Amino acid sequence: DVKVTQSSRYLVKRTGEKVFLECVQDMDHENMFWYRQDPGLGLRLIYFSYDVKMKEKGDIPEGYSVSREKKERFSLILESASTNQTSMYLCASSPYGTGDEAFFGQGTRLTVV
Amino acid sequence: ELKVEQNPLFLSMQEGKNYTIYCNYSTTSDRLYWYRQDPGKSLESLFVLLSNGAVKQEGRLMASLDTKARLSTLHITAAVHDLSATYFCVHNTDKLIFGTGTRLQVFP
Repeated sequence: DVKVTQSSRYLVKRTGEKVFLECVQDMDHENMFWYRQDPGLGLRLIYFSYDVKMKEKGDIPEGYSVSREKKERFSLILESASTNQTSMYLCASSPYGTGDEAFFGQGTRLTVV
Repeated sequence: ELKVEQNPLFLSMQEGKNYTIYCNYSTTSDRLYWYRQDPGKSLESLFVLLSNGAVKQEGRLMASLDTKARLSTLHITAAVHDLSATYFCVHNTDKLIFGTGTRLQVFP
């Protein structure tokens, strides 16, 4: 019954490394999202995508990029990881226009040392 | 600016008591969702509210939507410890806009 899968549950990376967080959904949803969640700051939108090869900046895109080459996969890229990117990252997908709820992945807890 | 304001931020309540969490949103889109998050876990969908006057109930939780007031409520009836979690209202305007979350603790 898996719907949204994130590639790693826990990840430890070094400062300056390029980091890839992968998210795959099996519901044929058009919309996909990446959020980060930090204590006291709630969930903040990094990037989202309405369709293959489309991307839109969210509220905090600096230091991140994304890739959506296939409908089911949405990747978040940290070009040069920094310690302030230590966080919980959540991927979500939702259908376009129907109002049906979004489904979330299990989250990736990233620590940058 | 699109906003979703949720209150209270923190709620400590005794088992058996009732309480309501409020969620105000600032746009005209009327898709409102409630999610639950347990510590260290992801978000689980609770309710989808799509029209004015929508009311949905599951167990001890009931959610409602008033689109004219741009207000949704999550009512907890006779709280039990298992309801301890963080609850988010989320407004769907094609982007998902999250409320701040309400951390609920239910004690004996």
